[in-house]
Amino acid sequence: KNQVEQSPQSLIILEGKNCTLQCNYTVSPFSNLRWYKQDTGRGPVSLTIMTFSENTKSNGRYTATLDADTKQSSLHITASQLSDSASYICVVSWAEGGSYIPTFGRGTSLIVHP
Amino acid sequence: EPEVTQTPSHQVTQMGQEVILRCVPISNHLYFYWYRQILGQKVEFLVSFYNNEISEKSEIFDDQFSVERPDGSNFTLKIRSTKLEDSAMYFCASSRSPDNSPLHFGNGTRLTVT
Repeated sequence: KNQVEQSPQSLIILEGKNCTLQCNYTVSPFSNLRWYKQDTGRGPVSLTIMTFSENTKSNGRYTATLDADTKQSSLHITASQLSDSASYICVVSWAEGGSYIPTFGRGTSLIVHP
Repeated sequence: EPEVTQTPSHQVTQMGQEVILRCVPISNHLYFYWYRQILGQKVEFLVSFYNNEISEKSEIFDDQFSVERPDGSNFTLKIRSTKLEDSAMYFCASSRSPDNSPLHFGNGTRLTVT
C-alpha cells in the first residue's frame, strides 16, 4: 500500500534556529515528491517539487533533499522566522496509465517561538 | 499573482441536503482537482479532472459526489444527500500539467453538516 510517513509529528523551535523535517514513503512507481506549507485555515502552498533524478532543490530558506534509493526526503528550514509556523506536508505522487495520483503525509506541525 | 478562488468560504447544511462547492481555477491551467481535509486529519485526494472528464478518482469519490465544469471558468463539486461525515474542508486546486507543475490550492470551503 502506498504510504507517506512524516516525522516529527510536531516541532517547536526558537526563531533564528534551523530545523529538518523528514518524509519516508513507500509509493511506487514514483513520479515526484512535493513539499507544501499549510497555514492554519488556508490551502497548501507549494514549496518544492522533485523528480526521481533530483537530489536537492532550494526555495529561499527551504531546501528539500530526496534519496530515491532509500525513499526518504527531508525539508531543511534555515534561520527560521515566526511566519514559518505552519504545517509542512510531504506529498508523493505515483504514475499509472498517464494519471498521477498523490499520497499525502499527515504533516509536521512547526511552531516557531520568539 | 493569479490564484484559485473558492466560494463559499463556509457552508452549513442539514444532513440529506445537496451542496455545490464552487471553484474558479487559474485561467491558463488545464488540470483541476478536489481534495478534502477532515479536521485534524491529512489532506485526501478526491478527484482530478481534465478535458471535461474525470481522469482519476479516489475511493472516497463515490456516487454521492460529482464534478462539473459548467462554463469556461468554474469548476464545481456537488455532494448529493450529505452525511455528517462529509463535514470537512474542501480544497480545489489547479495546475498547468499533471506531473511536475505546482498545484495551486484555493483557501477551501469549510462544509459543516448538521
